[in-house]
Amino acid sequence: GNSVTQMEGPVTLSEEAFLTINCTYTATGYPSLFWYVQYPGEGLQLLLKATKADDKGSNKGFEATYRKETTSFHLEKGSVQVSDSAVYFCALRTGTASKLTFGTGTRLQVTL
Amino acid sequence: DAMVIQNPRYQVTQFGKPVTLSCSQTLNHNVMYWYQQKSSQAPKLLFHYYDKDFNNEADTPDNFQSRRPNTSFCFLDIRSPGLGDAAMYLCATSRGREAQETQYFGPGTRLLVL
Repeated sequence: GNSVTQMEGPVTLSEEAFLTINCTYTATGYPSLFWYVQYPGEGLQLLLKATKADDKGSNKGFEATYRKETTSFHLEKGSVQVSDSAVYFCALRTGTASKLTFGTGTRLQVTL
Repeated sequence: DAMVIQNPRYQVTQFGKPVTLSCSQTLNHNVMYWYQQKSSQAPKLLFHYYDKDFNNEADTPDNFQSRRPNTSFCFLDIRSPGLGDAAMYLCATSRGREAQETQYFGPGTRLLVL
């Protein structure tokens, strides 16, 4: 079956620090990979996605590269801001299932 | 802006009293999903509609039902809410069911069961 493993949180960083949130996956079939962000009390917003190996998704300074050889999709940002404080979910979807399979989420707290 | 709208944002119900949550979309997407998200957990798919075709997840309790009267609207009915059904309920849509299709989420309805 499909599964996603994310690094444990919470992650606490100072503003302008470099961010990495690790995500690895197992999948039957050839997945598309997604990062969603959830701000307190809100629904999920798509942050970025990649649909084939070596694709790089990017948005709002966040990046992630689809690495088939390591089955990974790590999220990075060069300089985080306080407004980036949220929960980040890595997810995948394969052609054999309609649902998104989510990781457990990583809470990011950015302080001044 | 095209979007996914959920009403109400907060819903309080009593133990065992039926409740209906609403979702509408202006994206004209074929697929609509309902996810349940309990505190500090990942969202869990309950079911989805592909057009009028209803698809239930194997582990979704019978207590949860859904209706999709037209393309734009989808409802989640909880027939007899228990305390364990308190959660955030997220509606999502996508154009199709292919792996590369993005699912767009609404803001969620937080359900409290007293």
